[in-house]
Amino acid sequence: SAVISQKPSRDICQRGTSLTIQCQVDSQVTMMFWYRQQPGQSLTLIATANQGSEATYESGFVIDKFPISRPNLTFSTLTVSNMSPEDSSIYLCSVRLDTYEQYFGPGTRLTVT
Amino acid sequence: QKEVEQNSGPLSVPEGAIASLNCTYSDRGSQSFFWYRQYSGKSPELIMSIYSNGDKEDGRFTAQLNKASQYVSLLIRDSQPSDSATYLCAVKDGAAGNKLTFGGGTRVLVKP
Repeated sequence: SAVISQKPSRDICQRGTSLTIQCQVDSQVTMMFWYRQQPGQSLTLIATANQGSEATYESGFVIDKFPISRPNLTFSTLTVSNMSPEDSSIYLCSVRLDTYEQYFGPGTRLTVT
Repeated sequence: QKEVEQNSGPLSVPEGAIASLNCTYSDRGSQSFFWYRQYSGKSPELIMSIYSNGDKEDGRFTAQLNKASQYVSLLIRDSQPSDSATYLCAVKDGAAGNKLTFGGGTRVLVKP
């Protein structure tokens, strides 16, 4: 597997502001992903973070709301923009190694007031 | 819309018993299947992957796959209180790339 860290681990933000979440991996990986887990719900894929190109977003998620950067093979950021209380959720990054298995970071718990 | 269905539970089992979790999926092209364990307040942890029909055993865990029936299951033998968690079934998209679709999870409670 891989060692994955996320910053911040949690935050409380006011509506209308933006938060950038960082994901760092201890080895180079080709595939990185960002998920959202709303309270009491399962995981929903937001986007695939592609190194050197724009992220690939899933239906219902747009770049203006969730801009993603992937400057190298060990790091990615997800920004939650113009936040509303509905954005309160846990945001998780994951990586895919040589097989199809995905491993998750510890998550960022976001509360929007 | 590709779907992955799980019974939400809670599935209550006595300590030492076998917990049996089920998952059905709609994408006939799927070839890769995963079970994750998620403790409350923690991120999902991969515990099993299975790619071929039949059984795959790892310690106290056995994953079973039947592609014809679009069914994958997880057995936890000799259940321990530490197994109390939510178990998520994930299915890799058969058509494109790397997307995983997750089921809603089954909450398991192991009672001493």
